[in-house]
Amino acid sequence: KAGVTQTPRYLIKTRGQQVTLSCSPISGHRSVSWYQQTPGQGLQFLFEYFSETQRNKGNFPGRFSGRQFSNSRSEMNVSTLELGDSALYLCASSGDRGLEAFFGQGTRLTVV
Amino acid sequence: QKEVEQNSGPLSVPEGAIASLNCTYSDRGSQSFFWYRQYSGKSPELIMSIYSNGDKEDGRFTAQLNKASQYVSLLIRDSQPSDSATYLCAVNRGNNFNKFYFGSGTKLNVKP
Repeated sequence: KAGVTQTPRYLIKTRGQQVTLSCSPISGHRSVSWYQQTPGQGLQFLFEYFSETQRNKGNFPGRFSGRQFSNSRSEMNVSTLELGDSALYLCASSGDRGLEAFFGQGTRLTVV
Repeated sequence: QKEVEQNSGPLSVPEGAIASLNCTYSDRGSQSFFWYRQYSGKSPELIMSIYSNGDKEDGRFTAQLNKASQYVSLLIRDSQPSDSATYLCAVNRGNNFNKFYFGSGTKLNVKP
């Protein structure tokens, strides 16, 4: 059974640009959550999508957005990048009951 | 008050010893509890989940849950240098939203 796949693995962007990250969940999982991980703040919840609907949102500015497609694949977009957006972005896939979350390998975003 | 609290460590134990990692959570209604292991530069890997009071054993790992005290712990028996990593405690409130609250993690060093 394939795991959670995130692409790309690494990104370097310039301040002011925008970026799109992709996540393909475990087959059969309809819930995809996104987290930002930084050394100072730890793992912070961005948002969760279930069956193409955003069910929950963390405390991040509107520059952070996402969507989910009918095949459960999800994308996350960050517009007008700031230096502080440099982080490891993790996608987690969960079954309907939310009993466990499985993470992808993450996308390391560096904003210069 | 943070949702999930962990001692950041580092916790140093000699090879072969028992490592004890602790976590407290603030929401008494929380229903699902998890331990993740994260190696430096990698994504979190689920190692234990526990849903009811008491102990749950899986190989060298034992998770303990005490809902009355809002306390979760992870014991690692016969610790190995390969267990050296950051251990993240995570909590789900169980409201069918796959939003997991993570502690900041405890860094474990197992010395040969």
